[in-house]
Amino acid sequence: GESVGLHLPTLSVQEGDNSIINCAYSNSASDYFIWYKQESGKGPQFIIDIRSNMDKRQGQRVTVLLNKTVKHLSLQIAATQPGDSAVYFCAENTGGFKTIFGAGTRLFVKA
Amino acid sequence: NAGVTQTPKFRILKIGQSMTLQCTQDMNHNYMYWYRQDPGMGLKLIYYSVGAGITDKGEVPNGYNVSRSTTEDFPLRLELAAPSQTSVYFCAAQDQRQKNEQFFGPGTRLTVL
Repeated sequence: GESVGLHLPTLSVQEGDNSIINCAYSNSASDYFIWYKQESGKGPQFIIDIRSNMDKRQGQRVTVLLNKTVKHLSLQIAATQPGDSAVYFCAENTGGFKTIFGAGTRLFVKA
Repeated sequence: NAGVTQTPKFRILKIGQSMTLQCTQDMNHNYMYWYRQDPGMGLKLIYYSVGAGITDKGEVPNGYNVSRSTTEDFPLRLELAAPSQTSVYFCAAQDQRQKNEQFFGPGTRLTVL
């Protein structure tokens, strides 16, 4: 069946370092792959997405990489800041209204 | 533009009680969703709606009901609350022309004792 999974449940990084959050997916037919950030006590918020016909997309301090050969998605955060501490979810859109979310990775940023 | 709003923020129910979680969006998005998030876990889809008058079951619909009489509102009903329904509930909305972004409400934290 469809699934989006994460390799690590928690990640701890030093402030200023780069963070890499990984995700595996199983549905090759997905159109979009999306990263959401969920801060404590809040709903998830869209960060960045990538279409299935792309390998890389950059935003402000964030980069998403898509490796379709091994069905792997990653989120890179440059110069991680305390405000980046949150749970990060990868998700895949399998067509129109249907989005499947992964379990999430909790990122801790050490000062 | 408030986006997606949910009420109440917190609620404690006794086993067997019923309640309605309210969700309203002002973005005129056709797609709306209800998710539950258990501690330390991801989001599980309860119900979704692709437009007014249309609803369908998600991954974990048992014990819940929904209605969608207007584009703006998508209430979630719990008829006989059970401890297994203790969770945080999120409502979300999505523009049907966009496959990449759902807008989430702030959540309702429900405890069933």
